[in-house]
Amino acid sequence: DQQVKQNSPSLSVQEGRISILNCDYTNSMFDYFLWYKKYPAEGPTFLISISSIKDKNEDGRFTVFLNKSAKHLSLHIVPSQPGDSAVYFCAARPGGYQKVTFGTGTKLQVIP
Amino acid sequence: GAGVSQSPSNKVTEKGKDVELRCDPISGHTALYWYRQSLGQGLEFLIYFQGNSAPDKSGLPSDRFSAERTGGSVSTLTIQRTQQEDSAVYLCASSFGTSKVNEQFFGPGTRLTVL
Repeated sequence: DQQVKQNSPSLSVQEGRISILNCDYTNSMFDYFLWYKKYPAEGPTFLISISSIKDKNEDGRFTVFLNKSAKHLSLHIVPSQPGDSAVYFCAARPGGYQKVTFGTGTKLQVIP
Repeated sequence: GAGVSQSPSNKVTEKGKDVELRCDPISGHTALYWYRQSLGQGLEFLIYFQGNSAPDKSGLPSDRFSAERTGGSVSTLTIQRTQQEDSAVYLCASSFGTSKVNEQFFGPGTRLTVL
């Protein structure tokens, strides 16, 4: 049972344009939503998070949007840069619990 | 270095053998997490430690899997009688306490191949 779903395995975007990565979840107990970025042969690195009491969180070029009624979140990268090319994992966890559930990842390619 | 380190980076073993995977967390990080990523799958939570205790072992796939942490630092994940379905990348992460669980620092992983 995949509680966090990233339905797009890959995405290609031109440099300077917006990248939008999508994520859906099924567990209504999730309170925190996270995005991690992974380069080849490295472990994932934390990018940005949002709690369920918010609908938007912004950090520089990265913005995460949360739609609780739709159980959907998205990561926007504006403007996209070639160095953003990586696999992006969406993740979530219930409040008070340490178990983080990850999606299968979306491979982003930013074309110069 | 100052990051999370894991050893070995690659391990090839025969079905039925035992393997030990090691994780050195970032100094001062009290929380430690183990995940595995099978081919085409997301990261699957296995277990986490706060200090030397493991409050949540719910992700361990079977009783062939065990983990320990000593001195609040190094952790070892042991897989007994390995099976081919155990083949995966095993990732370790640490955080500065469980209050920082959202911001985990991952190691590069150990790629385990069971023949």
